[in-house]
Amino acid sequence: GQNIDQPTEMTATEGAIVQINCTYQTSGFNGLFWYQQHAGEAPTFLSYNVLDGLEEKGRFSSFLSRSKGYSYLLLKELQMKDSASYLCAVMDSNYQLIWGAGTKLIIKP
Amino acid sequence: SQTIHQWPATLVQPVGSPLSLECTVEGTSNPNLYWYRQAAGRGLQLLFYSVGIGQISSEVPQNLSASRPQDRQFILSSKKLLLSDSGFYLCAWQLPGHHTGELFFGEGSRLTVL
Repeated sequence: GQNIDQPTEMTATEGAIVQINCTYQTSGFNGLFWYQQHAGEAPTFLSYNVLDGLEEKGRFSSFLSRSKGYSYLLLKELQMKDSASYLCAVMDSNYQLIWGAGTKLIIKP
Repeated sequence: SQTIHQWPATLVQPVGSPLSLECTVEGTSNPNLYWYRQAAGRGLQLLFYSVGIGQISSEVPQNLSASRPQDRQFILSSKKLLLSDSGFYLCAWQLPGHHTGELFFGEGSRLTVL
């Protein structure tokens, strides 16, 4: 079967750095997405990785290792507004997105 | 610029009643359209997707149905709701032909079936 694993919840301090991991087992691979979802709202796109390596976008970076079936989202200089759920999703060989359950990130002052 | 809007935002319905959720996209033509359901503690579940008018693919057999009567309109329906239909429903669009492109989500519709 296809599976996406990410931690259920993480806590971090304002101003710090946090890394949210995602491991996947899918039938084929056509890229990995990270989305941010604030409580009660729709997900919004953060990043897309299809090749190995690190993609940096301001305070957010996303890393992919296809051989290990592994990705992480790195958030730097955490702000209170970063409190949200972070969803990892992998596109399989049929171009269907397989979604993880999301990681709820709690930021403390 | 492109926008997506879905409604209603929240609704409470009795078991056995009908359902209609609507989604419209503006500013793009022939988008790929999706209906997802999000249950607490679980990943987004793809319910239906459409690559064109009248073309609907169903991912999960259940008592829900979808229609695309116009290019930029996507409707999720049920004739008789079940308790298990409760959840957060999300409509999304994607650029046509861009299967690896990002999804743009509507605001979501929270359905509670009592």
